[in-house]
Amino acid sequence: QQQVKQSPQSLIVQKGGISIINCAYENTAFDYFPWYQQFPGKGPALLIAIRPDVSEKKEGRFTISFNKSAKQFSLHIMDSQPGDSATYFCAASMDSGYSTLTFGKGTMLLVSP
Amino acid sequence: EAQVTQNPRYLITVTGKKLTVTCSQNMNHEYMSWYRQDPGLGLRQIYYSMNVEVTDKGDVPEGYKVSRKEKRNFPLILESPSPNQTSLYFCASSQGKGDRVNSPLHFGNGTRLTVT
Repeated sequence: QQQVKQSPQSLIVQKGGISIINCAYENTAFDYFPWYQQFPGKGPALLIAIRPDVSEKKEGRFTISFNKSAKQFSLHIMDSQPGDSATYFCAASMDSGYSTLTFGKGTMLLVSP
Repeated sequence: EAQVTQNPRYLITVTGKKLTVTCSQNMNHEYMSWYRQDPGLGLRQIYYSMNVEVTDKGDVPEGYKVSRKEKRNFPLILESPSPNQTSLYFCASSQGKGDRVNSPLHFGNGTRLTVT
């Protein structure tokens, strides 16, 4: 089983602070790294994704930083808001016929007012 | 509205009583998949289907069955549920395998199953 290791398991950040969630992978054939966001009572939804040919991707307050040599990638949430409180999953996949997404174990983020 | 619909949302049953959780998508997606979500274990794939009549095991297929007779439907069957199958279940679909940014996974809102 190809693994994606995610940390921390839970995170509390004050409103306006920076939330950082980290993921590490083993398989160098992975070439797609998405982050999914899940609100209570809902299914996960794609938040942002990156390919390994770039080191950073930014969408609004959300940024993925990617370190290919270290086989690590992270999600940064700038100016965290209470509405960002959710569970975040990193994932990885490779471009092969029967490969599917491998998810990390998730991080529960609570942004306190 | 494009969506993945799971039913029921909540289900309480007893050990050994066969049950089916339905999943339907209206986006004409070829790929569908079932996941279970457990605290501390994240999302684990149970089964997936690349297309009609094509299904394959995921990471935790024991105790589950699926079928894909129509493109839009992908039911999850527990023929003899056990308490260790108590979990939150998600169905997902995508045009590809959900592994590209232009074909993300679309998840349903989940089915919370309790087996006593």
